[in-house]
Amino acid sequence: DIQMTQSPSSLSASVGDRVTITCQASQDISNYLNWYQQKPGKAPKLLIYDASNLETGVPSRFSGSGSGTDFTFTISSLQPEDIATYYCQQYDNLITFGQGTRLEIK
Amino acid sequence: EVQLVESGGGLVQPGGSLRLSCAASGFTFSSYEMNWVRQAPGKGLEWVSYISSSGSTIYYADSVKGRFTISRDNAKNSLYLQMNSLRAEDTAVYYCARGEHSFDPWGQGTLVTVSS
Repeated sequence: DIQMTQSPSSLSASVGDRVTITCQASQDISNYLNWYQQKPGKAPKLLIYDASNLETGVPSRFSGSGSGTDFTFTISSLQPEDIATYYCQQYDNLITFGQGTRLEIK
Repeated sequence: EVQLVESGGGLVQPGGSLRLSCAASGFTFSSYEMNWVRQAPGKGLEWVSYISSSGSTIYYADSVKGRFTISRDNAKNSLYLQMNSLRAEDTAVYYCARGEHSFDPWGQGTLVTVSS
């Protein structure tokens, strides 16, 4: 099984800050990685697919990069509506999610 | 509008059974792979099961293999999850989600509580 390790598990930042979340796979998964946003009480929403492709309609302040085992998710300028938990997900071998990163406003 | 609506959740005793449904609308259901993903209270996301568009290919997470059965009825635009031998650790919100590798959209979820 492929394990996905996200860090940090929680993060507090100010509006306008640049925020970075990392996700590490236990083995090479090429670019078979997606990022989701889940707001409290809501279903997850796809933001980034294939490591770096922005889903249609998603603001350009969100971006993703990486390949192999190390991946990064970035919010270039944090907005109040970005408060959520973010998950990475691999699909190289079945499906595995990272444990999530809870993002709060400082 | 593309929409997925789950139903069938509820309270069930350990060892019991439950069948979840997911009604799809706004897209050609028979053309898409589908999945079930669950989320225990206060916890992260756990993929449960996948079914191909025709239903010919199915995968399960090890945690539910042999107890859960995924199926679909393309004529009724519906996805199902038959859950047997339920355990306390199966307590979660269950989401259906469209897609083979990237999941979009997701339904609103249905809560399954396994407790005596």
